[in-house]
Amino acid sequence: GAGVSQSPRYKVAKRGQDVALRCDPISGHVSLFWYQQALGQGPEFLTYFQNEAQLDKSGLPSDRFFAERPEGSVSTLKIQRTQQEDSAVYLCASSLVGGGGTYNEQFFGPGTRLTVL
Amino acid sequence: AQSVTQLGSHVSVSEGALVLLRCNYSSSVPPYLFWYVQYPNQGLQLLLKYTSAATLVKGINGFEAEFKKSETSFHLTKPSAHMSDAAEYFCAVSAPGGYQKVTFGTGTKLQVIP
Repeated sequence: GAGVSQSPRYKVAKRGQDVALRCDPISGHVSLFWYQQALGQGPEFLTYFQNEAQLDKSGLPSDRFFAERPEGSVSTLKIQRTQQEDSAVYLCASSLVGGGGTYNEQFFGPGTRLTVL
Repeated sequence: AQSVTQLGSHVSVSEGALVLLRCNYSSSVPPYLFWYVQYPNQGLQLLLKYTSAATLVKGINGFEAEFKKSETSFHLTKPSAHMSDAAEYFCAVSAPGGYQKVTFGTGTKLQVIP
């Protein structure tokens, strides 16, 4: 597709359930980011991949959060034993290159809205 | 480390009036600065960006912003508000080099009154 896609768009989970959120980045994009946007807040960085390597996971809020990008394309964000405070919109973004001195635009997907009951 | 502060979580303007959304930044290195717009239940759309070229940046939908180093500001303006401008706006910052992780402000909801 032409842009970043995410699925599902909406997810409702009961507290304690595991969830998996998928991100399909723009084809050929090296960099992939996950952000969490709580209600009424700006997005906050969770983790960064360069191809299949997870180079920064400093924003993951707990060890219940796990992300992977095994073939350097599609990524999955997994949340184990979901809690009510995990309710948020999870945004994925991709960019063409892996860094360097020039500007590298991030393209955002529509997000997955997770509601934990 | 970088951060941005958006002044005013809600701004109301009349249709046809000037739009001014305020953003101040903090950065230990010359930053990249952005404004994003988010419509309900949609993703983030880049309005405009400053990447160390011209300090007055023009974006889509008639918006522009001026980078003022002396004031550490990057305020967003539009001369005449349109009903379709009603949305949430996020100021954001990243550092050149590396993978350019973006740090967002808390957002400003713009209401346009007919």
